[in-house]
Amino acid sequence: DTGVSQNPRHKITKRGQNVTFRCDPISEHNRLYWYRQTLGQGPEFLTYFQNEAQLEKSRLLSDRFSAERPKGSFSTLEIQRTEQGDSAMYLCASSHPGLGLYEQYFGPGTRLTVT
Amino acid sequence: QQQVKQSPQSLIVQKGGIPIINCAYENTAFDYFPWYQQFPGKGPALLIAIRPDVSEKKEGRFTISFNKSAKQFSLHIMDSQPGDSATYFCAASISRNQFYFGTGTSLTVIP
Repeated sequence: DTGVSQNPRHKITKRGQNVTFRCDPISEHNRLYWYRQTLGQGPEFLTYFQNEAQLEKSRLLSDRFSAERPKGSFSTLEIQRTEQGDSAMYLCASSHPGLGLYEQYFGPGTRLTVT
Repeated sequence: QQQVKQSPQSLIVQKGGIPIINCAYENTAFDYFPWYQQFPGKGPALLIAIRPDVSEKKEGRFTISFNKSAKQFSLHIMDSQPGDSATYFCAASISRNQFYFGTGTSLTVIP
């Protein structure tokens, strides 16, 4: 399967703990996006990378959230000192300018539950 | 502030019917309007997208109608099937940098 992959698929953590999620985009996709989706809502933009550069970050993203894409391939999203309000599905998407003008391909998501 | 407003929240149609989902936006800088389909436990999948210089686009049974002056766009699903039962999201973007999604429409197609 050459789609976007995310790990882990599920994560349960206690409030105050740090968690890290990984996203592996489709090979050669130079853009990578992170979204958060809560039940009954649409995906909410968090941040995106073009290659290894983080180009935009949502103002809604608190300082507890950080994302990296060190070599322009996979990306990690870390949440420090988790809160119950962080419980959500975290989605990753990748795109490439040569494919439908940056058509986004989403991964299956990582579901985070903070207890 | 919701950048893209989507309605209805849920929709039930008979097989063969034509569900219509509507979205509205305010920011005239948006230049790309995609629609996504999402099944439970899966990430969204792109169905069809349109740019504001086009009033209508068809791909298979899916059609987007776009009204630039009204700042509205809609998705029509022709000859709907039970397999189309899913949640549909409209979205808008400026230069594919940041995407703003609607709140979703849960569609149920009754056999």
